[in-house]
Amino acid sequence: EDQVTQSPEALRLQEGESSSLNCSYTVSGLRGLFWYRQDPGKGPEFLFTLYSAGEEKEKERLKATLTKKESFLHITAPKPEDSATYLCAVRGYSSASKIIFGSGTRLSIRP
Amino acid sequence: DTAVSQTPKYLVTQMGNDKSIKCEQNLGHDTMYWYKQDSKKFLKIMFSYNNKELIINETVPNRFSPKSPDKAHLNLHINSLELGDSAVYFCASSSIAGGQETQYFGPGTRLLVL
Repeated sequence: EDQVTQSPEALRLQEGESSSLNCSYTVSGLRGLFWYRQDPGKGPEFLFTLYSAGEEKEKERLKATLTKKESFLHITAPKPEDSATYLCAVRGYSSASKIIFGSGTRLSIRP
Repeated sequence: DTAVSQTPKYLVTQMGNDKSIKCEQNLGHDTMYWYKQDSKKFLKIMFSYNNKELIINETVPNRFSPKSPDKAHLNLHINSLELGDSAVYFCASSSIAGGQETQYFGPGTRLLVL
């Protein structure tokens, strides 16, 4: 069964303190790995889609990387406005078009 | 312009009632979804439609019935509401362009069953 596990559950950083969020996945043939940002009381906001091991994508202070078993979301010199829950999801070939989400990492950046 | 919109934003109702949530997307996407986010913020897919046809129907009670009148709309009707139905329901749509899939979510409908 396809599965997504995110760690840590919560992360508190000082402004400017770089770190990484982890997304481990088990899937029978990866069709895509997705990262989203969700602010309190709002819907998830799409960030990246990754398809193959070695692929990297960047957007402002965020960089997503992918291996055959996990993905990392690297946050460089974060600002308080980067505080949010970051969600990882996968779509596998065996899951009939279903996107499976992890439980998210709550990121808090202190000024 | 709002890409994916849902109404209502909040819904407070009594157990046993029937209610509907409406969703519209103006992105021209072929695929639309309904997700449920529980109190632990875990997102789980309920239904997926492609060009008005149901392609995913997860194990949800048959009290939940999606309806897609056209490609831009996917509504969710819930019969005989139960306390456990309280959650945030998100509509989403997706497309694949240039080999890249993107998915856009609506703002959510917060359902509270009393």
